[in-house]
Amino acid sequence: AQSVTQLDSHVSVSEGTPVLLRCNYSSSYSPSLFWYVQHPNKGLQLLLKYTSAATLVKGINGFEAEFKKSETSFHLTKPSAHMSDAAEYFCVVRANQAGTALIFGKGTTLSVSS
Amino acid sequence: KAGVTQTPRYLIKTRGQQVTLSCSPISGHRSVSWYQQTPGQGLQFLFEYFSETQRNKGNFPGRFSGRQFSNSRSEMNVSTLELGDSALYLCASSAIENTEAFFGQGTRLTVV
Repeated sequence: AQSVTQLDSHVSVSEGTPVLLRCNYSSSYSPSLFWYVQHPNKGLQLLLKYTSAATLVKGINGFEAEFKKSETSFHLTKPSAHMSDAAEYFCVVRANQAGTALIFGKGTTLSVSS
Repeated sequence: KAGVTQTPRYLIKTRGQQVTLSCSPISGHRSVSWYQQTPGQGLQFLFEYFSETQRNKGNFPGRFSGRQFSNSRSEMNVSTLELGDSALYLCASSAIENTEAFFGQGTRLTVV
């Protein structure tokens, strides 16, 4: 079985400071991991994905995440927050097995103040 | 390339009615999956279709059903609507199974 725990339901940062959104996962099989972002009243946009290649994954808009198998973590980071980064972020796991669904974390709301 | 298109965007229905939601995947994508998003339960998997076959189904009652057509377009149907079915329903498409999923804007269903 797969599960995802996003360790913070809400993170607040100032514009220009680093962002860290934490995610731990559990998977019975080798996992694929994703981060999605959702702006208010919008669908989900894929930020980045890990699919067993490089453990440090770079995504769009300056975000990156590091897959750490020993810690079962996949934390999302960005060196410098921008006001437009304010949104809800979802960590997602899927087992690398045919016909498995995406399993979503509960989400982390990122607030960015000026 | 056009993204995932969901219609309608907004829907208001009365308890006991049924509703059909539509999803057109990205051109060339053969896998379509559906998710329900609510404030209380978050994002929950409904079902996934690949080449017109249901590959996986989430833990939802039989009132929730879906299908996929030969052009990969998909519909989901909810019968005998309940107030608790009010949610944002998101459709996602993937090129093949188990690759990254691209989501539509969703259909906001309100049951009154």
